[in-house]
Amino acid sequence: NAGVTQTPKFQVLKTGQSMTLQCAQDMNHNSMYWYRQDPGMGLRLIYYSASEGTTDKGEVPNGYNVSRLNKREFSLRLESAAPSQTSVYFCASTTGRTLGREQFFGPGTRLTVL
Amino acid sequence: GENVEQHPSTLSVQEGDSAVIKCTYSDSASNYFPWYKQELGKRPQLIIDIRSNVGEKKDQRIAVTLNKTAKQFSLHITETQPEDSAVYFCAASTYGGSQGNLIFGKGTKLSVKP
Repeated sequence: NAGVTQTPKFQVLKTGQSMTLQCAQDMNHNSMYWYRQDPGMGLRLIYYSASEGTTDKGEVPNGYNVSRLNKREFSLRLESAAPSQTSVYFCASTTGRTLGREQFFGPGTRLTVL
Repeated sequence: GENVEQHPSTLSVQEGDSAVIKCTYSDSASNYFPWYKQELGKRPQLIIDIRSNVGEKKDQRIAVTLNKTAKQFSLHITETQPEDSAVYFCAASTYGGSQGNLIFGKGTKLSVKP
């Protein structure tokens, strides 16, 4: 099993450009998440999908959109990138959002917006 | 909503010493408290977790304690080794109810000096 995979690993964008970060899991998990990690700020939740077909905003959703394409895949889109979105992005998944179980993280995408 | 405070933000110890990291939470309904370890450039990984019906849990050199009255939980690492050097994140959530998202502390950078 690959676990949680993310593409790309690195990306440099110019202000105003758009891009989609891809995430997939092969653990048959119901819930998936997108976090951003900035120095000294911990992990902040951008959006989550409690189950296939649902998505909800997290703590810092502005400037982002998501799509739960199917049970395996959860993508994050930046429509018009801004320098404030320079960060490391992690996707995560778990069996069920309210079950109190381990979240498994992907390897991360390091995004720089110039 | 839930807020998790984590202290200290940095911790330096000599190899073989013990390390303690403390977290406080604000929502008395929180009942699941995991700890994640993130090595430099890697993804966060769960190292231990505790539920509110348990006061202490151990796994070899690591242990977590929970004080529900004080709304505080702590990570204890004994006989520290250089490979324990990493950033540690605490988190809190409520399982079994409608609010299952993890709220993370801002992290503690632990350095173990040989």
